Amino acid sequence: AQSVTQLDSHVSVSEGTPVLLRCNYSSSYSPSLFWYVQHPNKGLQLLLKYTSAATLVKGINGFEAEFKKSETSFHLTKPSAHMSDAAEYFCVVSDQGGATNKLIFGTGTLLAVQP
Amino acid sequence: NAGVTQTPKFRVLKTGQSMTLLCAQDMNHEYMYWYRQDPGMGLRLIHYSVGEGTTAKGEVPDGYNVSRLKKQNFLLGLESAAPSQTSVYFCASSYHRPSYEQYFGPGTRLTVT
Repeated sequence: AQSVTQLDSHVSVSEGTPVLLRCNYSSSYSPSLFWYVQHPNKGLQLLLKYTSAATLVKGINGFEAEFKKSETSFHLTKPSAHMSDAAEYFCVVSDQGGATNKLIFGTGTLLAVQP
Repeated sequence: NAGVTQTPKFRVLKTGQSMTLLCAQDMNHEYMYWYRQDPGMGLRLIHYSVGEGTTAKGEVPDGYNVSRLKKQNFLLGLESAAPSQTSVYFCASSYHRPSYEQYFGPGTRLTVT
């Protein structure tokens, strides 16, 4: 069965410093992995996805993530944080055991950006 | 395109009351999903549908029913609301292939007193 573990429930950075949000996954199949962002009182927006093409995936707003099979990790990074990046971030794996495209969500990482 | 829309945005129910949440999508997606979001638990799948007229149980289906009479609509029903169903509910839709991302609606905040 697929699962994801987000290693930090809260991360706080200063504006202009790098962001690292950590995610480990478990999957019996070659996984599809996603990062979604949720701003306060909003729905979820896709940041980026990995689907067995390039291991370094670039997303919107300057975010990127690297798929590392040997470490079963899919960490999200950004070189320089902006105040607008403050939000909750979810690492997600697609359940490819069937054909239903079900998503399994991590418990989320709340990113705070200090001025 | 409106994408995925949900009605209502907010609702307060008393224990034992019933209600229906409506999700609509205009992207011609085959798959649709209902999730609930609770603090510290991420999103959990309640029910999903892989096509018009079909539904299936997700991770936390108890106390909910769903129907998909039209491809573009997916309804979530609570027959007898309980305080444990206080949550934020999200609808999502996607194409019918694994690895396709899901598109989410803005959510419905439900409080059961």
